[in-house]
Amino acid sequence: KNEVEQSPQNLTAQEGEFITINCSYSVGISALHWLQQHPGGGIVSLFMLSSGKKKHGRLIATINIQEKHSSLHITASHPRDSAVYICAVRFGNEKLTFGTGTRLTIIP
Amino acid sequence: KAGVTQTPRYLIKTRGQQVTLSCSPISGHRSVSWYQQTPGQGLQFLFEYFSETQRNKGNFPGRFSGRQFSNSRSEMNVSTLELGDSALYLCASSLEGGLTQETQYFGPGTRLLVL
Repeated sequence: KNEVEQSPQNLTAQEGEFITINCSYSVGISALHWLQQHPGGGIVSLFMLSSGKKKHGRLIATINIQEKHSSLHITASHPRDSAVYICAVRFGNEKLTFGTGTRLTIIP
Repeated sequence: KAGVTQTPRYLIKTRGQQVTLSCSPISGHRSVSWYQQTPGQGLQFLFEYFSETQRNKGNFPGRFSGRQFSNSRSEMNVSTLELGDSALYLCASSLEGGLTQETQYFGPGTRLLVL
C-alpha cells in the first residue's frame, strides 16, 4: 500500500528554534512536495523535490531517495511560521497522496 | 497577476441537494486540480483537468464530477449531497502539469457545509 507518514503530528517551539518536520513514504516516488497551510485554509506550495536539497529563505527541504525520506527545516523560526505543513507525493502514475500534516506553533 | 479565485467562499446546503463550485486559474495556467480537505481524511485529490480534458482522477464516487472550459476556468459538481461531503474544497492551477511536476498555486477554497 502506498503510504505517506509525517512526524511529528504537532510541534510547539520557541521563537528562534531550529525546526525539523519529517515525511516518510513506502515505495519509490517521482517527486515530493512540501505545502504550507495557514489558519483559514490557504495553501502555499513551498518546494518540489526529486533529489538533493532546496533552500528558500529560512526554509530548507531535503530528500533521500534511498531511504524514502524527506525533511523540511526552518531556521530561526518565527511566529508567522505557525501553520500546518503537509507533504504530498505521487507514486508512479497513482493518484496523489498526502501526509496528514504537522501542526507547527511558534511561541514568541 | 491575479491569483487563483474560487467562488463561492462559503456555502450551506442540505442533504440530497447538488452544488457547483467554480475555480478561475491564474492567467496562462492550463492545468486545474481539485482537492477535498476534511478533518478526518485530510487532503485528498479529486481530479485534474488540462485543456478541457480530465487527466487524472482520485478515488471519489461518481457524484463528484468536474469540467474545464476553453478559458481554463473549471467547475466541480457534487450531486446528491451527503453529510460527509462537508469539507474545504480547494482548487490549484499550474502551467502544464499536476502537483508533482511543477509548482501549483492554490485558491482560498470553498467551505461547504451540508446539513
